[in-house]
Amino acid sequence: SYVLTQPPSVSVAPGQTATITCGGDNIRSKSVYWYQQKPGQAPVMVIYYDSDRPSGIPERFSGSNSGNPATLTVARVEPGDEADYYCQVWDSGSGQVVFGGGSKLIVL
Amino acid sequence: QITLKESGPTLVKPTQTLTLTCTFSGFSLSTNGLGVAWIRQAPGKALEWLAVIYWDDDNRYRPSLKNRLRISRDIAKTQVVLTMTNMDPVDTATYYCARRFVGDAFDIWGQGAMVTVSS
Repeated sequence: SYVLTQPPSVSVAPGQTATITCGGDNIRSKSVYWYQQKPGQAPVMVIYYDSDRPSGIPERFSGSNSGNPATLTVARVEPGDEADYYCQVWDSGSGQVVFGGGSKLIVL
Repeated sequence: QITLKESGPTLVKPTQTLTLTCTFSGFSLSTNGLGVAWIRQAPGKALEWLAVIYWDDDNRYRPSLKNRLRISRDIAKTQVVLTMTNMDPVDTATYYCARRFVGDAFDIWGQGAMVTVSS
């Protein structure tokens, strides 16, 4: 079955830029979605269709899927951005939604 | 305002059947392109997609759990129901329902319902 690989954690100082990767076989051919999940809360979509932002999501959040891996970039990181981030695709081969293992963004 | 809310038992015994209900508002599941999915998360673990039902009543299941899952909808009651048979302690998790919006992504999520499987 299709596997999405994310780093367990990414650390960044406040004000710096964080990049979270999401690797998968031929991921460029798929649409990638990203979710932010803070402790004790439900996930929130932050990126859809590789690079589009839902309304209400700051412009500091951006996505790219021009190569392998796909990436989520958080610019000018704030303490409130500390959370788990998950990437997700639809795998037509197995006919199922696939989530990555999640990456914890640590704001130093 | 679009909302979804999960309801069901907090504790089930091994081998029992779990029935969870997602009650939603602010959209119609008859609208072309929309759907409602169930996703779970074991404590300290990643998100795991379980099933989705679409506006046309089509559905998809996680292949590894397909034999244990059933998803259905009640348009009039604006509810989606998930049943999972033969529950096991490894099924202990928070179960979320979420609206399938663009592509196969989920733009609005419920608050989640914690289910513990224990004798």
